[in-house]
Amino acid sequence: SQQGEEDPQALSIQEGENATMNCSYKTSINNLQWYRQNSGRGLVHLILIRSNEREKHSGRLRVTLDTSKKSSSLLITASRAADTASYFCATVLNAGGTSYGKLTFGQGTILTVHP
Amino acid sequence: NAGVTQTPKFRVLKTGQSMTLLCAQDMNHEYMYWYRQDPGMGLRLIHYSVGEGTTAKGEVPDGYNVSRLKKQNFLLGLESAAPSQTSVYFCASSYSGGSLYYGYTFGSGTRLTVV
Repeated sequence: SQQGEEDPQALSIQEGENATMNCSYKTSINNLQWYRQNSGRGLVHLILIRSNEREKHSGRLRVTLDTSKKSSSLLITASRAADTASYFCATVLNAGGTSYGKLTFGQGTILTVHP
Repeated sequence: NAGVTQTPKFRVLKTGQSMTLLCAQDMNHEYMYWYRQDPGMGLRLIHYSVGEGTTAKGEVPDGYNVSRLKKQNFLLGLESAAPSQTSVYFCASSYSGGSLYYGYTFGSGTRLTVV
């Protein structure tokens, strides 16, 4: 079963508007990551937020994490047509004493930004 | 700096044929991964490697084999291709410690069709 589930499945906005995507997960995590995938391309890592962090910023991206609700949100401010892509959250479960954590992806949100 | 390079980019196989997908990274990453991406399923981990000469099974390993003879290369083999293996395959790499500490760097993918 999927650990991370994104909402909405698709989002369509106008250039200049803000885009918010949500991710929910089921079990305790070590960290949560967001990735972008342009059509026909590989995934690009955007940001990593650890379980003891509540908010993180990177340029026009703002990520929040609420471990009590097991949810995260990705906010893209002042969106551009070039932001059109699929966005995936990926969670890393607590791996105990091992040095490797499994990265599990959700099904993604398709964002379309109209010029 | 090429990052992660996957070859080939496209391939059509007949059922029962074999092939090898090659992944090469030039970032001196210790960890490497093979994922498959299917519509509605997100990305699922096939096999991974935490160092030269080591491999381990992921979520969906059946029908695939891997080898990591050199640190920079990670090969994914299909011994007898089946239509269910029609998918887009992504290779990724990361520094030691994997997703516990770092995001992954992905290749651009191999689109495989088995007829």
